[in-house]
Amino acid sequence: KQEVTQIPAALSVPEGENLVLNCSFTDSAIYNLQWFRQDPGKGLTSLLLIQSSQREQTSGRLNASLDKSSGRSTLYIAASQPGDSATYLCAVHGNQFYFGTGTSLTVIP
Amino acid sequence: DGGITQSPKYLFRKEGQNVTLSCEQNLNHDAMYWYRQDPGQGLRLIYYSQIVNDFQKGDIAEGYSVSREKKESFPLTVTSAQKNPTAFYLCASSIADGEKLFFGSGTQLSVL
Repeated sequence: KQEVTQIPAALSVPEGENLVLNCSFTDSAIYNLQWFRQDPGKGLTSLLLIQSSQREQTSGRLNASLDKSSGRSTLYIAASQPGDSATYLCAVHGNQFYFGTGTSLTVIP
Repeated sequence: DGGITQSPKYLFRKEGQNVTLSCEQNLNHDAMYWYRQDPGQGLRLIYYSQIVNDFQKGDIAEGYSVSREKKESFPLTVTSAQKNPTAFYLCASSIADGEKLFFGSGTQLSVL
């Protein structure tokens, strides 16, 4: 069974800092990988989707990379803002979506 | 606005009671999913449906039931057989299985 791990569980950074969130998975036979944002008590919002044949995807200040062979993905957030404070989750799809437990990000003004 | 609507936002269940969580989407998506989220755990799949009148069990289907009579609706019933139902329940949809997921705003279920 696919295992998805996100480390660290929590991260605090000062406003304006660039940061990287990590996601690792045990089975490289994936169809795609998605990064999501979740605000407290809310549903998930899709940020980026990377197909298994792609190496990276960019949207605004966000850049996600995928290395299937090593079972890793990173989400790079440039010039962080207090509004970026949320929990970030990754999910990989093989025969179903498997989710990590998320990284709780706090951006300090 | 296109999206997924979950209701109610908060729900309380008494012992021995069945409760139904509503999920409606107007995105014209074929696939719909129910996930359960517990503190400190990743989302876990309860049931999913790839097409109308068809659905499959996920990893934690025991104590739950679903129906998919219409493309836009995928209600989840939490039965009395589910002994630990307190959790945040999330409904999602995608244009097809494995494609980009869109989520509703969730239902928090608690036991009285």
